Amino acid sequence: AQRVTQPEKLLSVFKGAPVELKCNYSYSGSPELFWYVQYSRQRLQLLLRHISRESIKGFTADLNKGETSFHLKKPFAQEEDSAMYYCALNTDKLIFGTGTRLQVFP
Amino acid sequence: GAVVSQHPSRVICKSGTSVKIECRSLDFQATTMFWYRQFPKQSLMLMATSNEGSKATYEQGVEKDKFLINHASLTLSTLTVTSAHPEDSSFYICSAREGSSSGNTIYFGEGSWLTVV
Repeated sequence: AQRVTQPEKLLSVFKGAPVELKCNYSYSGSPELFWYVQYSRQRLQLLLRHISRESIKGFTADLNKGETSFHLKKPFAQEEDSAMYYCALNTDKLIFGTGTRLQVFP
Repeated sequence: GAVVSQHPSRVICKSGTSVKIECRSLDFQATTMFWYRQFPKQSLMLMATSNEGSKATYEQGVEKDKFLINHASLTLSTLTVTSAHPEDSSFYICSAREGSSSGNTIYFGEGSWLTVV
């Protein structure tokens, strides 16, 4: 079965603290994974994709096929990072996890 | 970047009536568009995949006679909620894949709030 799991509904940290948003997937094929972000009252937008191996807004994510994970990390959280983050698996359609709300306190 | 536009952004309709939501890719051609439903504080639930010129593929549990999807052109897909009921009230989001490759970027519309009274 194709599935994306984000175990944390809410993650609260203070500004400057490291952040890791967890994502695990279940897929028999070769996975293509994404992180999307939704800021308050804005549309969903692509944050990063694993194939590009880039860092966007200080965030990185590494695909670990052995652990079937694609955790999102940032070494020093900023207040403007507060948003909903969705991990997504691309097959012939995009399957989303349940999302994690990141709250960064000043 | 590429833009996907949804209209209307908010709509209120009476129970029993039908309402249409449009999804347009403004500066690219989208062979495939997706319709999602999002309940408050929950994730996006894929309702159906819309392919230009062919019938939509609905996810399990989604009534295709209730949620009519039409993808008549490479830039427009519509979702019609027929005989709407209050439980259909939700946030509906469309997305469009640029081009025809499954690896291409998917862009999201701003969403449409439907309230059925």
